[in-house]
Amino acid sequence: QTVVTQEPSFSVSPGGTVTLTCALSSGSVTNGHYPSWYQQTPGQAPRTLIYSTNTRSSGVPGRFSGSILGNKAALTITGAQADDESDYYCLLYVRSGIYAFGTGTKVTVL
Amino acid sequence: QVQLQESGPGLVKPSETLSLTCTVSGGSITPYYWGWIRQPPGKGLEWIGYIFYNGATSYNPSLKGRVTISVDTSQNQFSLRLYSVTAADTAVYSCARYSPDNPKHFDSWGRGTLVAVSS
Repeated sequence: QTVVTQEPSFSVSPGGTVTLTCALSSGSVTNGHYPSWYQQTPGQAPRTLIYSTNTRSSGVPGRFSGSILGNKAALTITGAQADDESDYYCLLYVRSGIYAFGTGTKVTVL
Repeated sequence: QVQLQESGPGLVKPSETLSLTCTVSGGSITPYYWGWIRQPPGKGLEWIGYIFYNGATSYNPSLKGRVTISVDTSQNQFSLRLYSVTAADTAVYSCARYSPDNPKHFDSWGRGTLVAVSS
């Protein structure tokens, strides 16, 4: 069974930079897995931040960026703000119509 | 701006079938891909599956054949059925649309509905 793993939590200072990663149990994450990233605050529907590895969704601030780092997908927040405190999930197209969410990362800004 | 709204029973008994419907408004269900996602209380997101407007489907292998997604284009709705439920199926169930431009990510979500499995 395919498992997509993210760091459980990160803490970042206001104005600081944090990089979250998304790893695939079956091997390296590539552009062909179409990594996307979602931000979720409690009780709210997820918000799409990044798709196709590094394309920002409409209205998403430039401090959010996506990339492939080594064998993982990555989401970087540069200049973190208080309202970035959320849960973040990656989604990968694993194979043949199958998708998988990552385990999620809780980001605290303090 | 497309909007999605989940509806269905909030309580299902163990071994019975969970049935939910997602109603799409502000846009047509064709010719897009639509998905179901769930989130158990205090846990992460789980992809359940998707359906294309023509009825083609794909499901999470971990659900082991317990799931069916169907579409009714005349009603602008698609539905989820999860069979033989247990307490582990208690979750917020959400429907979502895959992006029309690049159907490999979600661009619109419903608010979700909590379904509890309990006798």
